[in-house]
Amino acid sequence: DQQVKQNSPSLSVQEGRISILNCDYTNSMFDYFLWYKKYPAEGPTFLISISSIKDKNEDGRFTVFLNKSAKHLSLHIVPSQPGDSAVYFCAARSYNQGGKLIFGQGTELSVKP
Amino acid sequence: EAGVAQSPRYKIIEKRQSVAFWCNPISGHATLYWYQQILGQGPKLLIQFQNNGVVDDSQLPKDRFSAERLKGVDSTLKIQPAKLEDSAVYLCASSRDANTEAFFGQGTRLTVV
Repeated sequence: DQQVKQNSPSLSVQEGRISILNCDYTNSMFDYFLWYKKYPAEGPTFLISISSIKDKNEDGRFTVFLNKSAKHLSLHIVPSQPGDSAVYFCAARSYNQGGKLIFGQGTELSVKP
Repeated sequence: EAGVAQSPRYKIIEKRQSVAFWCNPISGHATLYWYQQILGQGPKLLIQFQNNGVVDDSQLPKDRFSAERLKGVDSTLKIQPAKLEDSAVYLCASSRDANTEAFFGQGTRLTVV
């Protein structure tokens, strides 16, 4: 039972343009969502998060949008840079399960110069 | 601030052998996690510790996997005996508590042949 899904395994974007990575979830008990970025041979690095009481959170070039009714969140990167090329994981947790994160399968972003 | 340290980085063993992984979390972090990441999938939680107590081990294959966190600091994860399907990256993560962001180590890539 895949509670968090990233349906696009890969995404290719031109440098300077917007990257949009999508994530869907099924568990309505999730109340906190995170995005992690992973380079090859490294562990995931926390990027940005959003609480279920918000619908948007922004940090520099990164913005996460949450649509609770659609159980959908997205990560926008503007403008995209070649250094953003990595695998991006969406993760979610619910208040009654402690810090346990449920991860999506990941989307590999390639930003071309 | 030093990050989460894991060793070894890589390990190749034959099936039915045993293996152990070590993790040193960020100083002061009470919560420690072990995740398993199979190629092409997102990380999956194996076990979560709060100090030296187990919070969640519902997805740990207890017939072959074991983990401990002595004195609430370092942790070891053991597999005995290993199976081919245990080939994965084993990620250790820590957080100040269960409600704050988790920081990941670089992981140990295990290959079972």
